Amino acid sequence: SAVISQKPSRDICQRGTSLTIQCQVDSQVTMMFWYRQQPGQSLTLIATANQGSEATYESGFVIDKFPISRPNLTFSTLTVSNMSPEDSSIYLCSVEGQGPSYNEQFFGPGTRLTVL
Amino acid sequence: QKEVEQNSGPLSVPEGAIASLNCTYSDRGSQSFFWYRQYSGKSPELIMFIYSNGDKEDGRFTAQLNKASQYVSLLIRDSQPSDSATYLCAVNVGPKTSYDKVIFGPGTSLSVIP
Repeated sequence: SAVISQKPSRDICQRGTSLTIQCQVDSQVTMMFWYRQQPGQSLTLIATANQGSEATYESGFVIDKFPISRPNLTFSTLTVSNMSPEDSSIYLCSVEGQGPSYNEQFFGPGTRLTVL
Repeated sequence: QKEVEQNSGPLSVPEGAIASLNCTYSDRGSQSFFWYRQYSGKSPELIMFIYSNGDKEDGRFTAQLNKASQYVSLLIRDSQPSDSATYLCAVNVGPKTSYDKVIFGPGTSLSVIP
């Protein structure tokens, strides 16, 4: 499985500011995914980032609030814009595995965001 | 409408017992089914995947799939305290979109009592 790192691992931010989360993979991957996990909740897919094209956002998530970049096959960023306390969550990036199954996903360690 | 549902926890089992975790899904076109384990404060870790009807065994873990009933389960034999975690069922949402995406259930919290 791919080795995935995220920066920062955690941050405390003020309301109205923005935070950019980086996701780095140790191998080239076509699709990268960004999830949100609110306290005590399961994972909700924010968007899918395919290198060379615009990210595809899920219902309830918009590009103005969560702009995503995917400049190459090993890197992506997610920005949480104009933050409010409701954005306090763990943000996870994931990639599809290269193994015998398909759609299996492997996750980075996550970024724990607290908005005051 | 929720697309993936799991039996609500927390589920408590004594050490050495069998833990049974259940999941139902709504999309009949789904082909891939996954179980992830998530320890508190950690990211999800894939432990099993299955895409054929029947049972799939890997060590102490057995995944069971019944596509007709839209049901997938995970059995953990000889449960250990280290199995205490939240177990997330995940299902791919068929080929309705330009790419396959995976939807996660709400998770079941398992506690194995020594």
